[in-house]
Amino acid sequence: DAMVIQNPRYQVTQFGKPVTLSCSQTLNHNVMYWYQQKSSQAPKLLFHYYDKDFNNEADTPDNFQSRRPNTSFCFLDIRSPGLGDAAMYLCATSRDITDPYQPQHFGDGTRLSIL
Amino acid sequence: SQELEQSPQSLIVQEGKNLTINCTSSKTLYGLYWYKQKYGEGLIFLMMLQKGGEEKSHEKITAKLDEKKQQSSLHITASQPSHAGIYLCGADRSARDDKIIFGKGTRLHILP
Repeated sequence: DAMVIQNPRYQVTQFGKPVTLSCSQTLNHNVMYWYQQKSSQAPKLLFHYYDKDFNNEADTPDNFQSRRPNTSFCFLDIRSPGLGDAAMYLCATSRDITDPYQPQHFGDGTRLSIL
Repeated sequence: SQELEQSPQSLIVQEGKNLTINCTSSKTLYGLYWYKQKYGEGLIFLMMLQKGGEEKSHEKITAKLDEKKQQSSLHITASQPSHAGIYLCGADRSARDDKIIFGKGTRLHILP
């Protein structure tokens, strides 16, 4: 089945130690998104890639970076994680950013803990 | 900026009972999406609504869109334990792209 896969499901890192979260998709979608979701909160969009074009949300901290080496993979890099970065990180895809009225497809998420 | 308010925040329902969850937008609704999230997992797409008055059903779940009220409702008939989870509504931020803003979710518990 075509799907969005996130690895790892659970990630523990130390305060200030860089961490990378991974997302892959077999849907061949043009757009990949990264969301941050804290407990009992709405998912918050951090950034998205439309093909190779990177689009940062205005309020996304510089500490968060992303890479998309090819259509299938996208990475979220947190350069110096702070305690406030502990959250669920969700990856999603959609076919075309210029076409609303289409659902985004989500992975199972990576839960990040900071020691 | 647009906000989506969901009500109630949490709901406890006896198995077999019907229930309704509401989602109200502070701005014009374009695409409206309903997702389900189990604790600690990703979002599962349920339904999309895009036209005023539109109603869609999947198994025992029905969603409606009231464009004038900028509101959508999700109705579950004869609830089952498998319906337990967090239901999130999402809406396209504009008519020009597919960025979605989400509500905080409604946490549904089903009592056996």
